[in-house]
Amino acid sequence: DQQVKQNSPSLSVQEGRISILNCDYTNSMFDYFLWYKKYPAEGPTFLISISSIKDKNEDGRFTVFLNKSAKHLSLHIVPSQPGDSAVYFCAASSGSSNTGKLIFGQGTTLQVKP
Amino acid sequence: NAGVMQNPRHLVRRRGQEARLRCSPMKGHSHVYWYRQLPEEGLKFMVYLQKENIIDESGMPKERFSAEFPKEGPSILRIQQVVRGDSAAYFCASSQDREWSPLHFGNGTRLTVT
Repeated sequence: DQQVKQNSPSLSVQEGRISILNCDYTNSMFDYFLWYKKYPAEGPTFLISISSIKDKNEDGRFTVFLNKSAKHLSLHIVPSQPGDSAVYFCAASSGSSNTGKLIFGQGTTLQVKP
Repeated sequence: NAGVMQNPRHLVRRRGQEARLRCSPMKGHSHVYWYRQLPEEGLKFMVYLQKENIIDESGMPKERFSAEFPKEGPSILRIQQVVRGDSAAYFCASSQDREWSPLHFGNGTRLTVT
């Protein structure tokens, strides 16, 4: 039972354009959501997070949107850069006392073409 | 300002041997988590520890796997009598002792069982 789903295994975008990565979840108890970026042979790097009391959070070129009624979140990267090429994972947790027990999606491989 | 340190980066063991994976959390972080990524899958939670305490081990296989985070020294993930199916990337992560603290991951230990 995949509680966090990233339905697009891959995405290709031109440099300078917007990248939109999507994530759906099924567990309504999730209240904290995160996006991680991962390069080959490295660990995931934290990008941005959002709690369920918000519907948007911005940090530089990265914005995360949360639609609780649709159980959907998305990561927008504007403008996309070739260095953004990596695998992106969304993750979710429930219960603020243990926000480190994360459920991860399968990942989306983003390729940003120069 | 070191991040989460894991060693070794690569570990090769024959079936039946023991594997010991070590993790030093980021400075100031008191919560440690272990995750496993099997080939072609996302990261899966294994165990959550604080100093000298296992808080949540709901993701740990019932046999052969154990984890500790002693008062002094790194956290250790121990796999006894390894089998081929244990071949995976094992990631350690740490976080601060506060609500909504994101996880920061190490670069992982890639275990290969021959």
